[in-house]
This record gives sequence, C-alpha cells and structure tokens, in this order.
Amino acid sequence: DVKVTQSSRYLVKRTGEKVFLECVQDMDHENMFWYRQDPGLGLRLIYFSYDVKMKEKGDIPEGYSVSREKKERFSLILESASTNQTSMYLCASSFFSPFTRTTYNEQFFGPGTRLTVL
Amino acid sequence: AQKITQTQPGMFVQEKEAVTLDCTYDTSDQSYGLFWYKQPSSGEMIFLIYQGSYDEQNATEGRYSLNFQKARKSANLVISASQLGDSAMYFCAMREAIKAAGNKLTFGGGTRVLVKP
Repeated sequence: DVKVTQSSRYLVKRTGEKVFLECVQDMDHENMFWYRQDPGLGLRLIYFSYDVKMKEKGDIPEGYSVSREKKERFSLILESASTNQTSMYLCASSFFSPFTRTTYNEQFFGPGTRLTVL
Repeated sequence: AQKITQTQPGMFVQEKEAVTLDCTYDTSDQSYGLFWYKQPSSGEMIFLIYQGSYDEQNATEGRYSLNFQKARKSANLVISASQLGDSAMYFCAMREAIKAAGNKLTFGGGTRVLVKP
C-alpha cells in the first residue's frame, strides 16, 4: 500500500515563526502536492512538484515556499507564519503516466497536519 | 473562477437508502478526469472512483457509481445501500489535460453526508 506520512498531526506556532511541514511518500511517486483545507472551500493547491528540485505554484502560493531535494520528501515552508495560515494542511503524491487508460493517476493523501497560528 | 461546484453543503440519508451527491464542473479541455474522494472524521482522504472524459460507460466501484453526463458537465456520485460508515465529507475533483510531466486536481467545496440509523 502507498504510504504518505506527515511529520505532525497537530502543530501550534506563534505569529512570525518559521514553520516546516514535512511529507514523505514511500512509493517512488514522481508527483507531490501540498493543499490546505478550509471549511466550505474544499482543498486548495498551494504548490506541487513534478520531480526532484522542480516546483510549480498552485492556486494560493502566497506566504508559502516548498523544497524537494529528494524524490520521496516534499517540504512546505511558512517563512513567517500568520494567523490566516491556521488551517489543515494535506500532502499528496501520485504516480504519473500520460496513458490514462492504464492508470488513473489518483493522488494518495497523508493524514494531514492541523496547524494553529496564535 | 470556480471549476468544480458541489451545491449541497450537507445532507442526511437513511441507512440502507441510496444517496446522490451532485458535482458540476467547467473545463474547455476535451480530455479530463473526474475523481471522488471520501474524508471521514479521522481526516484521511480516500479515493473512491474515477471517470475519464472519454469513458463511454459510467464508472462503478462496489456501492459507488458515477452518473456522468458529459453534455451537462455533471459527475454525480451515487452511493447505494448507505451504511453508517459512509458518514463523511465527500469531495469531487477534476484533473484537466495531462501536462508534460504531471497532473494536478481542482477540488470542489465538499458535501457532508450523515447517515441516520
């Protein structure tokens, strides 16, 4: 089974702190993603990565950065945490194939990190 | 502009009855994929079912089926014979045309389902 793990389930930080959220997957997936989930808004994509050292902005990248130095690890960084970044953060990974009849390329999710910024 | 719309923020369903969760989408791509995920109160996202835009038949996976109406741009999830364990948030998501090296999803706002015994 694919396993995606996140470093913390719950995290409490203070405004202005630098925050690191770590995500590790064990299935050699090329693609990795960071989302934040807020009530009524569903999941919104922050950043994603197609491969090592590659990153692409998602829909709401402001205030965030990412790092992917190894294929299995994708880190989300809040350079200076703010209260409006209090949210649930979900990491996901997926295999990639351009041949959609052989795979759905579905995303596998980690358990989430609930971050509170005070 | 929002590309995935789930108009039902929450709904109740009686155990053993069927329930339909609505999802409409907007895309100009000819090739795309539609996903449904379940999120129980524990928080993990569980992949349920997939429909490709070129698939001629509606997708089915056990008690889950997808009512795909391409012309109307809708991809409703039908859960038959509801069980108490089906109580969860359900998200519809769309993958647009496959890019050179990867694919990203756009999610709807979700529908919370509560199954009553």
